[in-house]
Amino acid sequence: QMQLQESGPGLVKPSETLSLTCTVSGGSISSYYWSWIRQPPGKGLEWVGYFYYSGTTNYNPSLKSRVTISEDTSKNQFSLNLSSVTAADTAVYYCARAGYNLKIDYWGQGTLVTVSS
Amino acid sequence: SYVLTQPPSVSVAPGQTARITCGGNNIGSKSVHWYQQKPGQAPVLVVYDDSDRPSGIPERFSGSNSGNTATLTVSRVEAGDEADYYCQVWDSSSDHRTVFGTGTKVTVL
Repeated sequence: QMQLQESGPGLVKPSETLSLTCTVSGGSISSYYWSWIRQPPGKGLEWVGYFYYSGTTNYNPSLKSRVTISEDTSKNQFSLNLSSVTAADTAVYYCARAGYNLKIDYWGQGTLVTVSS
Repeated sequence: SYVLTQPPSVSVAPGQTARITCGGNNIGSKSVHWYQQKPGQAPVLVVYDDSDRPSGIPERFSGSNSGNTATLTVSRVEAGDEADYYCQVWDSSSDHRTVFGTGTKVTVL
C-alpha cells in the first residue's frame, strides 16, 4: 500500500525559505506526477506544483518565482522549497501522487507550516 | 488562469440528494475530478474523469460534466457525507497545470 509522509519544520520565519520533504513508501517515484498542494487554515485547496518522473516540473503561476520541486530517487523522496515566505504562506502542506489527468489518488496526511517571527 | 466556481454551501436532509456544481469556461471539454475532505483529514478522491468512481467509493456518488458546469451528485445522503467537496481539472491542452474549485461545504440537516 502506497504511503506518503511529509516532514520538515513547522515554523518558518518571514523572508526565509520553507523546505519540506515527502517520503514515499510502498512504491517508486518513477512514473506519475508527484505534487504539492497546500491549504491555508479554514480555506480551500491550492495546487503548488508537481514534477513528472521524466524531469518535467510545473508550478502554480502565482508561486512560480518562489517555488522549486525536486526529487531524490535514491531515497524515494521529493521536496518543496518555497522562498521569501510571508504569513500568507501559512498552510497545511500536502504531498500527493497524481496519475493520468492529474487525478490525485494518494495523499500524505499533511503538515502545518506556520510563518511567524 | 482557469477559474472553477462552486457554491459555498449545500444543505440536504438525510436520504435526500445533494448536487454540488462546479462552473468553469467550457469545463465540459475537460476531465473533472472530485474530492471529499472531512475536518482534519486529507482529501479523498470520490469521482474522477467526470463520472468514474475509485474502488471503495459507494455508488451513491456520481458525476456528470457538460457545457460550463460539472456536477457531483450524492444520492441517499448519510450523516457521514457531511464534508467539504472540491472539484479539480487539469488543463492538458495548454499549460498542463491544474486548479481546484473553491470548495462546497455539505451540511446534513
